[in-house]
Amino acid sequence: NAGVTQTPKFRVLKTGQSMTLLCAQDMNHEYMYWYRQDPGMGLRLIHYSVGEGTTAKGEVPDGYNVSRLKKQNFLLGLESAAPSQTSVYFCASRPSDGYYGYTFGSGTRLTVV
Amino acid sequence: RKEVEQDPGPFNVPEGATVAFNCTYSNSASQSFFWYRQDCRKEPKLLMSVYSSGNEDGRFTAQLNRASQYISLLIRDSKLSDSATYLCVVTPHSGSARQLTFGSGTQLTVLP
Repeated sequence: NAGVTQTPKFRVLKTGQSMTLLCAQDMNHEYMYWYRQDPGMGLRLIHYSVGEGTTAKGEVPDGYNVSRLKKQNFLLGLESAAPSQTSVYFCASRPSDGYYGYTFGSGTRLTVV
Repeated sequence: RKEVEQDPGPFNVPEGATVAFNCTYSNSASQSFFWYRQDCRKEPKLLMSVYSSGNEDGRFTAQLNRASQYISLLIRDSKLSDSATYLCVVTPHSGSARQLTFGSGTQLTVLP
């Protein structure tokens, strides 16, 4: 059982380039989330999804777009990367019932130069 | 004011010591509480949920004080392997997505 898988694990982009981060989970979880983590800032929610075909903005959505075309996948897109988007990106998922914590992916380290 | 506040530390303690972390939250409607552990350059992992009556898991004890809006984590008989950053986590309200709000973390180093 793989849990939550993020690809790629590392990426270096030039300013203005675009890319898509993929998150895949095999636990049949309804809820999926994208966070970014910066030193001293903790984890901040970018976007989230409560089910297939639905997305919503989190705390820091600007510069990012997301899609959830399939229940198991949650994609995070950067249309025009900026150095301020240099960060570690974590995807997480959880079931819709009960009060359970998240399962996280192992993260994507993105550097924008 | 941040929704969840933690002392960033670092806490440097000798092996075998007892150490406690506190965390305060601002939203009195918060419903669920957790402690996560994050090792350097790794993803956060759920350490334990925090229940109203307090709960224990081996050397770890978590407490919730709703009146004062804080949660605590006590680690007894610290091991070298306990060195990590400990994240305090709450659900901000009873919204349908139940997204979690994370504190910035408290860094613990257990010294030999």
